[in-house]
Amino acid sequence: EAQVTQNPRYLITVTGKKLTVTCSQNMNHEYMSWYRQDPGLGLRQIYYSMNVEVTDKGDVPEGYKVSRKEKRNFPLILESPSPNQTSLYFCASSMTGTATNEKLFFGSGTQLSVL
Amino acid sequence: AQSVTQLDSQVPVFEEAPVELRCNYSSSVSVYLFWYVQYPNQGLQLLLKYLSGSTLVKGINGFEAEFNKSQTSFHLRKPSVHISDTAEYFCAVITEPLSSGSARQLTFGSGTQLTVLP
Repeated sequence: EAQVTQNPRYLITVTGKKLTVTCSQNMNHEYMSWYRQDPGLGLRQIYYSMNVEVTDKGDVPEGYKVSRKEKRNFPLILESPSPNQTSLYFCASSMTGTATNEKLFFGSGTQLSVL
Repeated sequence: AQSVTQLDSQVPVFEEAPVELRCNYSSSVSVYLFWYVQYPNQGLQLLLKYLSGSTLVKGINGFEAEFNKSQTSFHLRKPSVHISDTAEYFCAVITEPLSSGSARQLTFGSGTQLTVLP
């Protein structure tokens, strides 16, 4: 089954404690992306990747890091989380990331709370 | 810069009643428009899209949307809703120009929570 898998589903942590949210896709997609969803703001893009070792900032990259060492994985790293990073995070992927009619596949989300 | 406005954050409606979720965009160039749906505890799924051609677009689950260029709108409609339609709905836009090989930028609206009441 084609899917984007995120882990963990829920995460509670404290300020300053480094954490990683994993994202994996089994569709051989080149394009992967991270979004955060906040009430009243919709989804905002954090980082995206067009292929292995190619990453770029989205609209709200501050406080986040990503890496793309393998095609299937695109982890989101918070080196020193702060309470304003409490949010619902989504990973997404698509074939190339360049075509307007490409379907974007989303993971089920990670609810992060930073105390 | 492109932007999307969803005027209604919450829309309650009774079962079997019609519903319209409003979406307006701002762009001076060609646009591609999308509606996504997010059911509780799930990721987003594509409901329908407008790329070109007929301005009336039909999607899954009986939803349809009409692209109105003069009013820069892309409202989502369903003639008769079910309890199972309760979800959050997001309008999204991609605008031209797109450079060859560059990433398309999908901008989402703030979302509309549709609640269908028995």
